[in-house]
Amino acid sequence: GEDVEQSLFLSVREGDSSVINCTYTDSSSTYLYWYKQEPGAGLQLLTYIFSNMDMKQDQRLTVLLNKKDKHLSLRIADTQTGDSAIYFCAEEDAGNMLTFGGGTRLMVKP
Amino acid sequence: SAVISQKPSRDICQRGTSLTIQCQVDSQVTMMFWYRQQPGQSLTLIATANQGSEATYESGFVIDKFPISRPNLTFSTLTVSNMSPEDSSIYLCSVPAERGYTFGSGTRLTVV
Repeated sequence: GEDVEQSLFLSVREGDSSVINCTYTDSSSTYLYWYKQEPGAGLQLLTYIFSNMDMKQDQRLTVLLNKKDKHLSLRIADTQTGDSAIYFCAEEDAGNMLTFGGGTRLMVKP
Repeated sequence: SAVISQKPSRDICQRGTSLTIQCQVDSQVTMMFWYRQQPGQSLTLIATANQGSEATYESGFVIDKFPISRPNLTFSTLTVSNMSPEDSSIYLCSVPAERGYTFGSGTRLTVV
């Protein structure tokens, strides 16, 4: 099956930028998503990018997509302690099925 | 986007018993999805529930263990049957949104 990989852990200081990376294998991906999961909560959709785009910016969030390398990243500017959570990337295939990465735990130190 | 009410939010259950998880959506949706998130892991799709037909299960999941009901376009239940400690996970329902998918807040199940 298709595979989505993320690094497990990222630690940054408050006010710095965070960059969370994701790689995927499905060449037929239509959309790619970033979800945030806070402790004890469900998944919150942060942002998404269509597969024929290479960049999307939404306030403090910037998504970069390198379709050739099948590499997706999420940059969070001015990271705050409230951004501490697990971040999942997910790719949607042509059949509208989602495959999730393993999640990256972001820790923001004051 | 749709709003999902999922309950219970958490439960501690004895092995060998069953737990039914409910998801109520505030709008009609054709497809609902049930996921399992094992401790420290990502989400794995259990099944897709369509109203008026049997759920479609993913590899490794069977109806006898995870029966699903979908009586109408706004409601679904997932039952975890004959539970063992290995079933301790977060279970989430999900529905398609305008873009992407909306998730319930999850049910944290601990089997003792």
